[in-house]
Amino acid sequence: AQSVTQLDSHVSVSEGTPVLLRCNYSSSYSPSLFWYVQHPNKGLQLLLKYTSAATLVKGINGFEAEFKKSETSFHLTKPSAHMSDAAEYFCVVSDLDSSYKLIFGSGTRLLVRP
Amino acid sequence: EPEVTQTPSHQVTQMGQEVILRCVPISNHLYFYWYRQILGQKVEFLVSFYNNEISEKSEIFDDQFSVERPDGSNFTLKIRSTKLEDSAMYFCASNPGTVNGYTFGSGTRLTVV
Repeated sequence: AQSVTQLDSHVSVSEGTPVLLRCNYSSSYSPSLFWYVQHPNKGLQLLLKYTSAATLVKGINGFEAEFKKSETSFHLTKPSAHMSDAAEYFCVVSDLDSSYKLIFGSGTRLLVRP
Repeated sequence: EPEVTQTPSHQVTQMGQEVILRCVPISNHLYFYWYRQILGQKVEFLVSFYNNEISEKSEIFDDQFSVERPDGSNFTLKIRSTKLEDSAMYFCASNPGTVNGYTFGSGTRLTVV
């Protein structure tokens, strides 16, 4: 079965410093992986997705993630945090054994300090 | 850009009452889903629907829940007798048969009192 583990429940950074949100996955075959962001009391917005093309994936708002098969990781990074990046971030894997259901990680809350 | 539309955005209901949450998926999509997010927790899969029938459901999706696609556009989630623990944000989603086109609605916040 597919699963994802987000290694940090909370990450706090200063505005203008790099962001690193960590995610490890478990999959019996080449997975499709996603990062979603959820701002307070809002819906789910897709940041980026990996579907077995380039291992370095660029997303919206300056975020990117690198698929590393040897480390079973898909960490999310951004060179410089903005205040507006404060939100909950979910690492997600698609279960290709079934009806493309998505399996969400437990989430990482990003706090950006001024 | 096509959207998945959910109504209502908020619903408050009394324990034991039936509720129907409504969704209009993207018109040419083939798979339809309901997910749930209890406040402060992760998003959980409830059910998927394909070719006019349930293709997969989670342990959460017990006999109190049902889904329906009554016409060519709407996709509904019914909770027959709501419990306090059904309070959550419910997200509808659809995709065209690949993960690339996965689209979520903005959610319905259900509060059971």
